[in-house]
Amino acid sequence: DQQVKQNSPSLSVQEGRISILNCDYTNSMFDYFLWYKKYPAEGPTFLISISSIKDKNEDGRFTVFLNKSAKHLSLHIVPSQPGDSAVYFCAASVENYGGSQGNLIFGKGTKLSVKP
Amino acid sequence: DAGVTQSPTHLIKTRGQQVTLRCSPKSGHDTVSWYQQALGQGPQFIFQYYEEEERQRGNFPDRFSGHQFPNYSSELNVNALLLGDSALYLCASSLPRANYGYTFGSGTRLTVV
Repeated sequence: DQQVKQNSPSLSVQEGRISILNCDYTNSMFDYFLWYKKYPAEGPTFLISISSIKDKNEDGRFTVFLNKSAKHLSLHIVPSQPGDSAVYFCAASVENYGGSQGNLIFGKGTKLSVKP
Repeated sequence: DAGVTQSPTHLIKTRGQQVTLRCSPKSGHDTVSWYQQALGQGPQFIFQYYEEEERQRGNFPDRFSGHQFPNYSSELNVNALLLGDSALYLCASSLPRANYGYTFGSGTRLTVV
């Protein structure tokens, strides 16, 4: 059973507009959420993260929102640029006993296409 | 500053064979994790190594094993290859408590025929 779900395999957005990528999760024990971006023939690149004690984190054009009651998070990209075209993965983790990083559980990804 | 380096980049093996994939972590990182990404799927956690020991393991059979060396580099070994083992294998390195900033390599594309 998938613990992290990205229900939209693809999203197409016009340059300059907002891109909203969604992610749902089922495990209420997750305490950290991350977004990774992946270009073809490259490994995933860390984009932005959010702790479960927060509901928003912003970094430049990228903002992640967390709704714990709905077990839902979203990534907003404003304004979208053609270089943002990539596959975006949502990931979640549970901190290990002793405070070390837990492994990442990924969704299947959403392919974002930003058209000029 | 070199990131995570994986070798080889591509590999073709025959069913039943054994394979070894290699990973050098980012400079300063001491924790190495391995992930398998099948086509159209997100990466799936295989295991994590820290201080030359397997610290966590995902839901993968014993055919998947690993090793970490004193210089923090790591190997992933897969025995008795199955067609379903064909995937992109990603290595990620990190510091033990560094806000989940895993750095991924570009991966090894394994094809089993």
